[in-house]
Amino acid sequence: SAVISQKPSRDICQRGTSLTIQCQVDSQVTMMFWYRQQPGQSLTLIATANQGSEATYESGFVIDKFPISRPNLTFSTLTVSNMSPEDSSIYLCSVGRGGSYEQYFGPGTRLTVT
Amino acid sequence: TQLLEQSPQFLSIQEGENLTVYCNSSSVFSSLQWYRQEPGEGPVLLVTVVTGGEVKKLKRLTFQFGDARKDSSLHITAAQPGDTGLYLCAGNTGKLIFGQGTTLQVKP
Repeated sequence: SAVISQKPSRDICQRGTSLTIQCQVDSQVTMMFWYRQQPGQSLTLIATANQGSEATYESGFVIDKFPISRPNLTFSTLTVSNMSPEDSSIYLCSVGRGGSYEQYFGPGTRLTVT
Repeated sequence: TQLLEQSPQFLSIQEGENLTVYCNSSSVFSSLQWYRQEPGEGPVLLVTVVTGGEVKKLKRLTFQFGDARKDSSLHITAAQPGDTGLYLCAGNTGKLIFGQGTTLQVKP
C-alpha cells in the first residue's frame, strides 16, 4: 500500500480564480492519477500523470483547464484553472500498483466555487 | 464506451441483515476491484479478483468474479453499522473503469 496526503483538504474559491492541489506519496511510484467525484457518486478519471512525460488526459478534460505537474516520483499537482461553480467537486489523487492497477487514494480535496 | 453497472444504487438495511451488491458489464476485464469509501476520505481497496469464477472472502464480505470476467458480486453477511459507506467496483482495462457506486446504510 501507500500513504498519500493531499493539500488543501478543502477550499472555497471565487469564480475565475485557480487552485493548485498537491499530492504527496510516501514512496516512489510510477503511475499517479487524478480523479473528480461528486459526493456520494462514482469517480471520473481526469488524467494519468507519469513522471518524465506529459500527463494523459481523458475525454472531456484538457490541459489548459487542468494542468498537471509531476516533478518527481513522489509528488504531483493538479491545477483547476479559471474556476466556475461547475468545478465544485472532490478531487482525488491516487497511485497505481501492480499489473492489476490496484489504486491507493488520497483523502481528497473538497472544492467549492462561488 | 465501457460501462460498469452497479446495483442497487442505494441500500438501507438493519444490522444483522445480509445483502448483495452487483457489478455488471458487457466488457471483459483482466481484473476487478472493490473499494469502500467513507465520507471525507478516499476509497480504500478491499479486494482484487483476477480469475474467472474466483471467490475471495474478507471476514464477513464475500467477493465473486464471474466466469466470463464480465461481472462481480459483493455479499455481506450479518451487516454491521461499521459497514456503512459507498461501495465501488472498478474493472481493469489498462485503466480503471468505476461503477456508479452503491451507498449502503446499516442501521443499528
